[in-house]
Amino acid sequence: QFVLTQPPSVSGAPGQRVTISCTGSSSNIGAGYDIHWYQQLPGAAPKLLIYGYTNRPSGVPDRFSGSKSGTSASLAITGLQAEDEADYYCQSYDISLRGGVFGGGTKLTVL
Amino acid sequence: EVQLVESGGGLVQPGGSLRLTCAASGFTFNNHAMHWVRQAPGKGLEYVSAITSNGGRTYYVDSVRGRFTISRDNSKNTLYLQMGSLRAEDMAVYYCARESSYGSNWYSDYWGQGTLVTVSS
Repeated sequence: QFVLTQPPSVSGAPGQRVTISCTGSSSNIGAGYDIHWYQQLPGAAPKLLIYGYTNRPSGVPDRFSGSKSGTSASLAITGLQAEDEADYYCQSYDISLRGGVFGGGTKLTVL
Repeated sequence: EVQLVESGGGLVQPGGSLRLTCAASGFTFNNHAMHWVRQAPGKGLEYVSAITSNGGRTYYVDSVRGRFTISRDNSKNTLYLQMGSLRAEDMAVYYCARESSYGSNWYSDYWGQGTLVTVSS
């Protein structure tokens, strides 16, 4: 099992908005460690999408946004496009494991 | 432009050894901690190992501790992962990633293209 919990899959039609949740615990998000999000297109390496819950690196479209609520975080994608079809991973640090941890990943399907 | 290029993957028998290399360019290598992250076929991402910018501290996930050794040569802008006593469950694509940090938080902001390690007899 993964320390950070994500839904295995989400889907949406082009133009729609989808959200992906990432639920942590008192040993990661609850301990004050931030959530970061990565996008992995099919056959490609992961790419940083959001860091520190809400910050977008240069070049990431503002259709991608992040938020935090308690010991959970969410990634929202608005104006869904076919090119957004990918796996999305959340990541943080866990004090119990004393290392970086990923969620299990969420596969986004654009219908 | 930041570039990370992994090499050294390949087919190895169970119990064998392999050394992965990550050549870095486009940034000041000795200013950044570095990570190795792996992804088994059809599975998610897993942090395997990390090393601080000066090589003074290292981290290993429990499943590889004692079998893998991470190191770096800042004079050559190169990161290494020496892998020993390889098992079937070590088979994965191994990515090299650069760490950026703020406060006590860190994340992997640049990734290499990955190198495939296949463990099979």
